[in-house]
Amino acid sequence: GQQLNQSPQSMFIQEGEDVSMNCTSSSIFNTWLWYKQDPGEGPVLLIALYKAGELTSNGRLTAQFGITRKDSFLNISASIPSDVGIYFCAFVNFGNEKLTFGTGTRLTIIP
Amino acid sequence: DAGVTQSPTHLIKTRGQQVTLRCSPKSGHDTVSWYQQALGQGPQFIFQYYEEEERQRGNFPDRFSGHQFPNYSSELNVNALLLGDSALYLCASRTGTGMRNYGYTFGSGTRLTVV
Repeated sequence: GQQLNQSPQSMFIQEGEDVSMNCTSSSIFNTWLWYKQDPGEGPVLLIALYKAGELTSNGRLTAQFGITRKDSFLNISASIPSDVGIYFCAFVNFGNEKLTFGTGTRLTIIP
Repeated sequence: DAGVTQSPTHLIKTRGQQVTLRCSPKSGHDTVSWYQQALGQGPQFIFQYYEEEERQRGNFPDRFSGHQFPNYSSELNVNALLLGDSALYLCASRTGTGMRNYGYTFGSGTRLTVV
């Protein structure tokens, strides 16, 4: 089946640092999505990527759809306390309703 | 404008029992999907409902069933509960049109504990 590897599993950083996380898949997909999940809440969509090589920003967040269409990365610049949470990548193909999620990257900010 | 509403928020059931979880989609949304999220894992797709029919199903046994009502709200039913069914159950909704419409809105989930 389709496998999605997300790394790192967890990150401990200081406020103000930049963060980078990535996902790789065993198959090619049309769409990469990045979500953030806070404790006790459902995932919230941060960025959607639809074309190989596409680079998209949302405030301090930047994500790219890899050229091979098998990977994606998410960068967060100048981290702030509200960035704490679990970040998930997910992929899906056009016409398919199933989102396949990675295992998540837990971001913790050290005081 | 209310987002996706799920009830109840927490539930404790005994092995072998049956459970029904409920979801009201975001206003204007007509498509509902259900996901199971085990502790420390990403959400796993259970199934999706559109126009009151199950349109797509993930790798879950028949013990998991659902329903969508004319007002687009949905129920997830799980029969013969197992300890392994303990998880956060998430409902997500979106509008059913548009190829690139993956703007799913997720609810806060129902935390099910099977003892």
